[in-house]
Amino acid sequence: ETGVTQSPTHLIKTRGQQVTLRCSSQSGHNTVSWYQQALGQGPQFIFQYYREEENGRGNFPPRFSGLQFPNYSSELNVNALELDDSALYLCASSSGAWDGYTFGSGTRLTVV
Amino acid sequence: AQRVTQPEKLLSVFKGAPVELKCNYSYSGSPELFWYVQYSRQRLQLLLRHISRESIKGFTADLNKGETSFHLKKPFAQEEDSAMYYCALGYGQNFVFGPGTRLSVLP
Repeated sequence: ETGVTQSPTHLIKTRGQQVTLRCSSQSGHNTVSWYQQALGQGPQFIFQYYREEENGRGNFPPRFSGLQFPNYSSELNVNALELDDSALYLCASSSGAWDGYTFGSGTRLTVV
Repeated sequence: AQRVTQPEKLLSVFKGAPVELKCNYSYSGSPELFWYVQYSRQRLQLLLRHISRESIKGFTADLNKGETSFHLKKPFAQEEDSAMYYCALGYGQNFVFGPGTRLSVLP
C-alpha cells in the first residue's frame, strides 16, 4: 500500500497513562518524522528517524520517545500523559531529510 | 530559536484576484523552505520547495534572504485554492512549521 498510514485514528487515555501510536511509511521512504498539532496551531516537530536512528528532535521532553523499524515503520510513545498532550499526532515520511514529507491523516489523542 | 511567522491567520480574496501569503523566518544559515497545504478534510501535503524553484498549481515562492522571507504568490486565485497554508523551515535535523494562514477565495 502506498502512502502513510497511521493507527489508531482516535484514542482516549487517562492522565498518567502511556500511549503508543503507529505509522507505516510510504513505500521507498527511509525517513520518518512525528509532529504534534494542537487545535488551531501549526504542527510542532517532535523528532525524526533515519534508518532506525533518531537524527533530529524538537523541544519535547524525554517522555516522548520513538522507534523506527527495519521496514521503516515507526512508533511514537508518550509516557506519563498530561492533559496538554491532547492533540493530533501526525506522522510523515520522506526519501531524504528535506525532500518534502508525505503526511498521514493523524491520530487524535484525547487525555482526560 | 528558529522561527517561522505567518502574520495573517485569515486571508480572503475574490476569485481572479492576486494572492500573496506571507512567510518570514529567522535562521542565520542556509534555510530549506517549504509550503504545505491542507485542503478541507484532506491530509497536509507538500505544495512546493524553494530549492526546486517550480510552480505548482500556479503558485510560486521566492526566497529573499535579505528580507528572510518566502512569500507564496499566485496571480489569479481560484475557489479551489481555499485551504490552510503552512510555511515550514528545515535546518540541521529539525523542522519548524509556521502557524498557518487560512486562504478563502470568494466567488
